[in-house]
Amino acid sequence: DAEITQSPRHKITETGRQVTLACHQTWNHNNMFWYRQDLGHGLRLIHYSYGVQDTNKGEVSDGYSVSRSNTEDLPLTLESAASSQTSVYFCASSPSGGGTDTQYFGPGTRLTVL
Amino acid sequence: EDQVTQSPEALRLQEGESSSLNCSYTVSGLRGLFWYRQDPGKGPEFLFTLYSAGEEKEKERLKATLTKKESFLHITAPKPEDSATYLCAVGAGNNRKLIWGLGTSLAVNP
Repeated sequence: DAEITQSPRHKITETGRQVTLACHQTWNHNNMFWYRQDLGHGLRLIHYSYGVQDTNKGEVSDGYSVSRSNTEDLPLTLESAASSQTSVYFCASSPSGGGTDTQYFGPGTRLTVL
Repeated sequence: EDQVTQSPEALRLQEGESSSLNCSYTVSGLRGLFWYRQDPGKGPEFLFTLYSAGEEKEKERLKATLTKKESFLHITAPKPEDSATYLCAVGAGNNRKLIWGLGTSLAVNP
């Protein structure tokens, strides 16, 4: 069955370190999204991509970057981790066009920055 | 400004006690309204998409309805396993991004 996976599921790192969270989907979806979820803020969009070589900033993109070299993967990099980036991170994907915007989510990565 | 508001923030029901969750929205050019369920420690799980006012969709004890200003998620005779956070999101205009509400946390007591 097609799916979307995230790794690692849990990560503890130190302030200032570079961290990369992986997201892999096997639906062949063109659209991929990264969110963070915090109490009181809900899901906030970090970066998104509408296809290979396409990346766009979301509402909370400072300190994060993404790259899209193939359809299946959208890794999220924290250039220099900060305690404010402690959160749960979700990756999602959706097919493009046809009015279908349903996003399908991965299981999440819980990141703690000490 | 496009906005999605969910109410109540939290709801506690007894098993079998039916109720409704609300999702009100203000967007330009609604393209679709989405309901998701999220269990603790997991990613949101897709439930329904509604595209136009008057549309209704059902799945087991859940029924979603849509008007021009809001959507309701009706829960009939809920069971403890329906306990979760229910998220609402809206797609608008030509944007493929979704606008998310903060969710309603539902607890169903046996």
